[in-house]
Amino acid sequence: QSALTQPASVSGSPGQSITISCTGTSSDVGSYNLVSWYQQHPGKAPKLMIYEGSKRPSGVSNRFSGSKSGNTASLTISGLQAEDEADYYCCSYAGSVVFGGGTKLTVL
Amino acid sequence: QVQLVQSGAEVKKPGASVKVSCKASGYTFTSYDINWVRQATGQGLEWMGWMNPNSGNTGYAQKFQGRVTMTRNTSISTAYMELSSLRSEDTAVYYCAREAFTGMDVWGQGTTVTVSS
Repeated sequence: QSALTQPASVSGSPGQSITISCTGTSSDVGSYNLVSWYQQHPGKAPKLMIYEGSKRPSGVSNRFSGSKSGNTASLTISGLQAEDEADYYCCSYAGSVVFGGGTKLTVL
Repeated sequence: QVQLVQSGAEVKKPGASVKVSCKASGYTFTSYDINWVRQATGQGLEWMGWMNPNSGNTGYAQKFQGRVTMTRNTSISTAYMELSSLRSEDTAVYYCAREAFTGMDVWGQGTTVTVSS
């Protein structure tokens, strides 16, 4: 199973909104609403930000939202803050589990 | 609080095996699957497999079939991941993560495994 496709990097200024895409196939992202998103700061373990495509775990800011269209899932972060600067990974469950390659978010 | 605490760093020679432990606390260990995920330096996350601590059932990524074994000891709420026939490309940080509602909601702190002759 191939890794999901994410942009290598995105950037935005504080207060702006950014969107990170995650493209799979009709066999994974397109078939199920089982995409999750993880935030990882340098040297730290990943943190779950979104599960089942658009649900937020308790404690995660409502500035983070998830959506899906066809074979592409998206993570949107609104009102960018300096602490949002991190790597972000999407993950899909489709028989097996596959991660995206990761996107480095830079807050300018 | 809910947490997963992993064993310490390991240095192994090529061809050897490594066994990493992951001790759960703050919740019922047998109620949630455990995933294992690794990350080479500067690289992305790579899923290795999962285990159901209640039944012991496992599912491994095709890449690791035949080389990885996931087990548990329910009496001490601990999961284990053993990787054999180590090669330099296996040098990475290995994480255990609790599976909840199709998302990995609790992660261990990571265990660095270095494979070097």
